Amino acid sequence: QKEVEQNSGPLSVPEGAIASLNCTYSDRVSQSFFWYRQYSGKSPELIMSIYSNGDKEDGRFTAQLNKASQYVSLLIRDSQPSDSATYLCAVNGPGHTGTASKLTFGTGTRLQVTL
Amino acid sequence: NAGVMQNPRHLVRRRGQEARLRCSPMKGHSHVYWYRQLPEEGLKFMVYLQKENIIDESGMPKERFSAEFPKEGPSILRIQQVVRGDSAAYFCASSLGQPRSGANVLTFGAGSRLTVL
Repeated sequence: QKEVEQNSGPLSVPEGAIASLNCTYSDRVSQSFFWYRQYSGKSPELIMSIYSNGDKEDGRFTAQLNKASQYVSLLIRDSQPSDSATYLCAVNGPGHTGTASKLTFGTGTRLQVTL
Repeated sequence: NAGVMQNPRHLVRRRGQEARLRCSPMKGHSHVYWYRQLPEEGLKFMVYLQKENIIDESGMPKERFSAEFPKEGPSILRIQQVVRGDSAAYFCASSLGQPRSGANVLTFGAGSRLTVL
């Protein structure tokens, strides 16, 4: 089982719709969760971070975390063509296990927003 | 206010040559991380360094790869006797400190793309 799993896509949504990106992780002691956006040939760019169960909203983006189900998601409202990119889910462990030093990434979900 | 600076952006090497990739962290950041991204794959952690110390190298291949972050100058990722399988994008990231819950996220550089002929 992969440590962080994402559907590779592509996920295709029409402009203006809600895009829903999902991620599951295997390590129950994980404490920090991140969504990065990566355009083709570019570096990852942090979109959202979330540390507690529930929802966290920032503009058109909402991150949702459910630690009991080991599930984290990213919702993008009013999707725009410029949102077309690969979205990487990343997980970070607690410091006392020595895993806080590195992020474990999923392989990413490619989002296509169509006109 | 420069971000994480990596060079070279593109590097071509023949099999058996050495590749050196450099990374200067963001101003004020003392923690550097190297990740490798193979085509169509996710980012894989390689090594985490602070000045003059390797903190976690659990993702580094056992042979041919080494990393350093000297007291002065950039962090260096060195790959000796490169093989075609080393062709990848190598990303450096930096943070203020160890990325514990609620603090210190990683900022990535633009990456160095290594092609081994």
